[in-house]
Amino acid sequence: QVKLQQSGAELVKPGASVKLSCKTSGYTFSTSYMSWFKQIPGQSIEWIGMIYAGDGGTGYNQKFKGKATLTVDTSSSTAYMDLSSLTTEDSAVYFCARGLGAGWGQGVMVTVSS
Amino acid sequence: DVVLTQTPPTLSATIGQSVSISCRSSQSLLDSDGDTYLNWLLQRPGQSPQLLIYSVSNLESGVPNRFSGSGSETDFTLKISGVEAEDLGVYYCMQATHAPLTFGSGTKLEIK
Repeated sequence: QVKLQQSGAELVKPGASVKLSCKTSGYTFSTSYMSWFKQIPGQSIEWIGMIYAGDGGTGYNQKFKGKATLTVDTSSSTAYMDLSSLTTEDSAVYFCARGLGAGWGQGVMVTVSS
Repeated sequence: DVVLTQTPPTLSATIGQSVSISCRSSQSLLDSDGDTYLNWLLQRPGQSPQLLIYSVSNLESGVPNRFSGSGSETDFTLKISGVEAEDLGVYYCMQATHAPLTFGSGTKLEIK
């Protein structure tokens, strides 16, 4: 059974950074892609980027270049997303998903507030 | 970026009723490899999105066959043949033919 378990909710101050994690099980992580998405409550979904766990190769939505950095740790089958220089506009729920959406994490709420 | 326009924005249905949701793309979603990367997802209240259909018409494993997808190029449709109570939520179309991946604005299905 495919499972993606994301880290807990974050409350961070403007200008700070945060690292979100997505621990996987039930499939071969090392030969799979992982996508990350952003959703402001009540709104649609935005694609942030994707990483291939096999070699760490990444592709980003231009909108999120410089904001998000995707990495993986194949030894623990975990994907990570660093979000930097946070502003209130980064307050949202962030999801990880296997490939192009065939299995999603539960989402993590990031709140940016002073 | 590719813009996906979903209609209607909201839909109210009784149990057993059949409904359809439209998704129109600002560009053809036919890829050079011959596939069309248009997916449908359902996000139930308070939950993560769930993949229902991939590549226009392929049912994801475990998804009931009352869901079906059709279409080509720029016009796509999701049909639910006999709505059930568990189908309430927001339906999104998503394209992965052109970078960046983009989503429609969603169709909220309410049960009467």
